[in-house]
Amino acid sequence: QVQLVQSGAEVKKPGSSVKVSCKASGGTFSSYPISWVRQAPGQGPEWMGGIIPMFGTANYAQKFQGRVTITADESTSTAYMELSSLRSEDTAVYYCARDVSSSTSNWFDPWGQGTLVTVSS
Amino acid sequence: DIQMTQSPSSLSASVGDRVTITCRASQSISSYLNWYQQKPGKAPKLLIYAASSLQSGVPSRFSGSGSGTDFTLTISSLQPEDFAIYFCQQSYTTWTFGQGTKVEIK
Repeated sequence: QVQLVQSGAEVKKPGSSVKVSCKASGGTFSSYPISWVRQAPGQGPEWMGGIIPMFGTANYAQKFQGRVTITADESTSTAYMELSSLRSEDTAVYYCARDVSSSTSNWFDPWGQGTLVTVSS
Repeated sequence: DIQMTQSPSSLSASVGDRVTITCRASQSISSYLNWYQQKPGKAPKLLIYAASSLQSGVPSRFSGSGSGTDFTLTISSLQPEDFAIYFCQQSYTTWTFGQGTKVEIK
């Protein structure tokens, strides 16, 4: 049973960067894509981007292009999401999740526990 | 981007009630539709994938239906632990989520 454990809460100044980690245990890490999703207070989740650790190439939602970098370290079964040029609107809970696919759909399971990032001066 | 619209945004119901939540996609997404449950301070939990397949370990009172643009999540007999927020998600092109439906105690 794969589990995803994320790093702890962060408080950042506007204009700075934040890097959140997501460590997988209990299953195969490299062959499943890992996505990053954020959820602002009272809002629905929003997909930011994802990576297949085995290949190392990431793809990003257009909204975050140029500001987000997703990487993965197969040796430690850990994925990372770095968001730069932070602004107050980036205050949210950030989740990692494993992408699972079949012939008829794709879904996220499991999810990490979430990391609260607060951007405040 | 494909937009996902859920209705209602919130509802009040009693234990034992049958509850139905609707999700509409802005274009056809075949059966690339998933449902999640989220409780306060927790990550979303997968309930239904591929529009109608029940995730392992999820009670059979949850069911999903639909294809194309219109989808439904049904809870046949609401239990105390089902009071939560429910999100739909399309995975036809990248991923987008609905804004959620909050199920509250009546």
